[in-house]
Amino acid sequence: DTAVSQTPKYLVTQMGNDKSIKCEQNLGHDTMYWYKQDSKKFLKIMFSYNNKELIINETVPNRFSPKSPDKAHLNLHINSLELGDSAVYFCASSRSGSGPSFSYNEQFFGPGTRLTVL
Amino acid sequence: DQQVKQNSPSLSVQEGRISILNCDYTNSMFDYFLWYKKYPAEGPTFLISISSIKDKNEDGRFTVFLNKSAKHLSLHIVPSQPGDSAVYFCAARRGQPGANSKLTFGKGITLSVRP
Repeated sequence: DTAVSQTPKYLVTQMGNDKSIKCEQNLGHDTMYWYKQDSKKFLKIMFSYNNKELIINETVPNRFSPKSPDKAHLNLHINSLELGDSAVYFCASSRSGSGPSFSYNEQFFGPGTRLTVL
Repeated sequence: DQQVKQNSPSLSVQEGRISILNCDYTNSMFDYFLWYKKYPAEGPTFLISISSIKDKNEDGRFTVFLNKSAKHLSLHIVPSQPGDSAVYFCAARRGQPGANSKLTFGKGITLSVRP
């Protein structure tokens, strides 16, 4: 009954490889996000999708390509991995539109994927 | 540039006492503030929030105070419990939640509650 799930949890790979991280939510949310937590511990948004449409793209290198096959999934594909891509990547989801309380619209996060590029 | 700052990296308190976690921000356009809690190997979990039109919001043992003139907010946990030991992230947003809404996070504070 996991709300937001990510696979894999850990990913170790060589520089130059291409890898994907998958995210799925079963909360019925219509908006999904990718965040990156770097070595300095800051959580920074990378992308957001609403109903499979890209809404936010935060100056992320075009080696990063999100893909949303449906509202419940937002995958992240990374080409030509670099050492600086090593980080923890979090997927999140939320409802858009107004709700009975602010917490109704807040973001639910997945457990994270720790990517290590060697 | 760090628009949301959590300058103390860690805090240790005795069980039963009050924990006060501080957060400062620089962007006066932020109008909504949130606290997230994170355990190791898990994602952040929404804890409590406050709109900029308020100065206090309370939910059980958790209270968030906002001082707009000082661009400062704090999270009070009382009484603190060992299960509260986690990393606490302060976050801020402009406007209503939605796909266009970006959360700006601080670096987090590691809270340790000693039994």
